Amino acid sequence: AQTVTQSQPEMSVQEAETVTLSCTYDTSESDYYLFWYKQPPSRQMILVIRQEAYKQQNATENRFSVNFQKAAKSFSLKISDSQLGDAAMYFCAYRSVYDTDKLIFGTGTRLQVFP
Amino acid sequence: GAGVSQSPRYKVAKRGQDVALRCDPISGHVSLFWYQQALGQGPEFLTYFQNEAQLDKSGLPSDRFFAERPEGSVSTLKIQRTQQEDSAVYLCASSLGGGASMNTEAFFGQGTRLTVV
Repeated sequence: AQTVTQSQPEMSVQEAETVTLSCTYDTSESDYYLFWYKQPPSRQMILVIRQEAYKQQNATENRFSVNFQKAAKSFSLKISDSQLGDAAMYFCAYRSVYDTDKLIFGTGTRLQVFP
Repeated sequence: GAGVSQSPRYKVAKRGQDVALRCDPISGHVSLFWYQQALGQGPEFLTYFQNEAQLDKSGLPSDRFFAERPEGSVSTLKIQRTQQEDSAVYLCASSLGGGASMNTEAFFGQGTRLTVV
C-alpha cells in the first residue's frame, strides 16, 4: 500500500521570503501522480500543483514549484515570494494510475506567514 | 452551481443518532469521492462512485457507514448509530472523468463538520 509522509507539522516564513515544505512517499508503482493541496480555514481543499511521475521536469505554477526526486521518493513544495494569503494547511497527496482515482494524503503542514 | 456543495456545513448529533450528509457535485462530473478528515489529520478515502455505480467502498470504516448516488449526481453519506469516533470533517470531491487520467482533477467541497456528543 502507498503511504505519504509529511514530517513538518508546522512551518513559518516571513512575507516575501521563500519556504520549502517536505513530502516523502512510499510506493512500488512506477507511474503515479503527486499533488500539493492547500486547505484554508474554510476547509475547502484547493489544488496548488501537480506532477506526473513519468515527467522528469519539475512542475511550476507561478510562485509555486516542486522538487520531484523519483528515486528518493521525495516531492517538496517551494513557495517563493510568500504572501499572507499563503497561510494554510498544505497536504501532499498521491494518486495511483492503476487504481481508482482516490487520493492518499499526508498528515499536512501548517504554514504561517508573518508580515 | 459552480462548485461542489455540501450540506449541512455543521452537524451535531447525539451518540446513537443517524445522520445524512449531502454532496452536490459539479454538474456533469462522473466521479465522486467521500473522504473523512479527523482533527489534525489528512483526509482519508471512504468511497468512490463513477456515475451511480459505487466502484470502491474499501475505506468505509464499518457497516454503519453507507453511501449512495442513485441518479449519478447528488450523493448522500449516511452514518447509522453515530459514535464519538465518527466526529470529523467529511469532504466530498468530484472530477470530470473516470479512470486514471491526469485530467481528472478533483474539486472539493467545504465539507461537513460532524460532532458526536
